[in-house]
Amino acid sequence: EAGVVQSPRYKIIEKKQPVAFWCNPISGHNTLYWYRQNLGQGPELLIRYENEEAVDDSQLPKDRFSAERLKGVDSTLKIQPAELGDSAVYLCASSPPRDRGPRLLGEQYFGPGTRLTVT
Amino acid sequence: QKEVEQDPGPLSVPEGAIVSLNCTYSNSAFQYFMWYRQYSRKGPELLMYTYSSGNKEDGRFTAQVDKSSKYISLFIRDSQPSDSATYLCAMSSGGYQKVTFGTGTKLQVIP
Repeated sequence: EAGVVQSPRYKIIEKKQPVAFWCNPISGHNTLYWYRQNLGQGPELLIRYENEEAVDDSQLPKDRFSAERLKGVDSTLKIQPAELGDSAVYLCASSPPRDRGPRLLGEQYFGPGTRLTVT
Repeated sequence: QKEVEQDPGPLSVPEGAIVSLNCTYSNSAFQYFMWYRQYSRKGPELLMYTYSSGNKEDGRFTAQVDKSSKYISLFIRDSQPSDSATYLCAMSSGGYQKVTFGTGTKLQVIP
């Protein structure tokens, strides 16, 4: 079974430029997460999708960040315009549906991440 | 005060040593406790999880939860160079609920 796929793996942009990250979750996983991980920190949730619906976007800086998951499968996270402080690793994760195990945990499978550097 | 506190290390041990990794937390609502392992330039992978208090063992790894002290631990026996990674503790109040991660402890096992 293929894991969570993310692209690009690395991105270097100048501040004020737009950038987009793409994620393809594990087949059959209807829950998708975007996290940001700063250097030396744990991942912090930006947004969580259940199918096409964003069920938790409270931590997403909506003035410059946007996300979409139009067909309930792959997802795109966009930053426009990027700031120096946006330099981080952006991780995508997915979880299986609640009707098959591990049911209680909502085990999250992470992709390799996109390392963004804003100069 | 952060909800989850974890010593960032780095922690350097000789091969074969017993490793103890720990986290403390402040949110009494946390019920699920997880440990993730993250290799350099990779995403985190779930290593172990426990529900509520108690111990759980899986091969060389043992996870302990003490809810009365709001303290969780991961023990690695007979540590190997391949265990060199960053270990993140993580917690949530329920299944499919928001997961709060610690900052991670970087472990290096010296051959």
